[in-house]
Order: sequence, then C-alpha cells, then structure tokens
Amino acid sequence: SQQGEEDPQALSIQEGENATMNCSYKTSINNLQWYRQNSGRGLVHLILIRSNEREKHSGRLRVTLDTSKKSSSLLITASRAADTASYFCATDAGQAGTALIFGKGTTLSVSS
Amino acid sequence: GAVVSQHPSWVICKSGTSVKIECRSLDFQATTMFWYRQFPKQSLMLMATSNEGSKATYEQGVEKDKFLINHASLTLSTLTVTSAHPEDSSFYICSAIRQPMGQPQHFGDGTRLSIL
Repeated sequence: SQQGEEDPQALSIQEGENATMNCSYKTSINNLQWYRQNSGRGLVHLILIRSNEREKHSGRLRVTLDTSKKSSSLLITASRAADTASYFCATDAGQAGTALIFGKGTTLSVSS
Repeated sequence: GAVVSQHPSWVICKSGTSVKIECRSLDFQATTMFWYRQFPKQSLMLMATSNEGSKATYEQGVEKDKFLINHASLTLSTLTVTSAHPEDSSFYICSAIRQPMGQPQHFGDGTRLSIL
C-alpha cells in the first residue's frame, strides 16, 4: 500500500521559477526521503531528512518536515529544464532498514 | 557513491517464457535488497524483500511461485518471472541497502519487461 500522497500530481513551470511539491504520509517514520525519476529510469536519491529534523538543504533543494502534520515539502529553486522528472517522497514506516513506501509522485515539467 | 546495477534494462519475450532479472551491488555488500514494480505513470509498489541466505519475504498479493527471488550472495539478488504473461509486463526496479548505514536505499536503473 502507498504511504502518502504527493501534491500536486503534475506541475509545469518556466525555467528559473521555483517548484514546490508536497507529500503527506500516514504512519510514524524514522526518516523521509525524496527521490527523482527520469522517464523510464531508476530512482536517484535526492535528500533524506530524519524525523527529528525540520529542514534540510542540498544545493538548490530545500526539504521541510512537519511530523505533527505528517507532511513534507520539496522546494527546487531556480529550476532548469534538466529538472524535468517525476519526484517521489518515500518513508520507512518507522522501521529502519525496511523497504520504502512511496507516495504517488509529482511530475515536474520545466520549459525553457 | 554506492552503485546498483540491474540487468537487463529491457526485455521483450513471448508469453510463457521465464525471465531472469539481476540486481548487483557493485561496490558494497547488501544483505537486504528490495524488488519493486512500477506501472506506467504510477508509483513504485514493493513486491518482496530479498535477504541474503534466506527466503524472500513477499508482500500481500504477490505470487511467490510466479516471482522467484534468489539472494545467493551479498552482492546479487535475482528476480525470475516464471511463465510470464502480458499482464506481467511492467517496469521492475531493485534497490539495496548499504550496511550498516541503512538508508538511503540505492536503486538500479530498472528493467522494462514486455511480454507479447
């Protein structure tokens, strides 16, 4: 079963704009991760945020986590055409070393 | 960084054929690997957890006799789709956990399976 929902399902923006994607989950977690998937390819790990962290940065990525609301957001700043991909959040359902439970994903399209 | 290799990347075969997909951790040992299935424009669904030296743990609704998993070494897990039918056509992705750090998981590039 899927852990959560991503919002929006699809997002189209222009290069240079910021893109924000949201993720909600249902159970307690150890950490939450964001992955990127280019069409027809495997997943690339972007960032991991632990349950005791509220915000994390990596380059143009900013992730927030609100465990009281069971939600997370991924912000991509100054987007580029190469950022076009599907983005998934994933959680471990509170058990370390277990399989990830993925959200439905947001498809981001960045046009130049 | 950790690399997971999945092979083949694309398979087209006739109905009734059995297909083996390999998942290798190239620069680390992985006692646990996972197999996911992804339908077009959908998310990844966990099929099974593969543990080195023991039987795989299958998710509810996944037929263990159709999707045979073998994790014979610390760097290799295989998924065999037996007597494949068109409804088995999908994108299959494996991932591996690098011990002892655990997360994040490292994913292969996936295998697109098309059954005619």
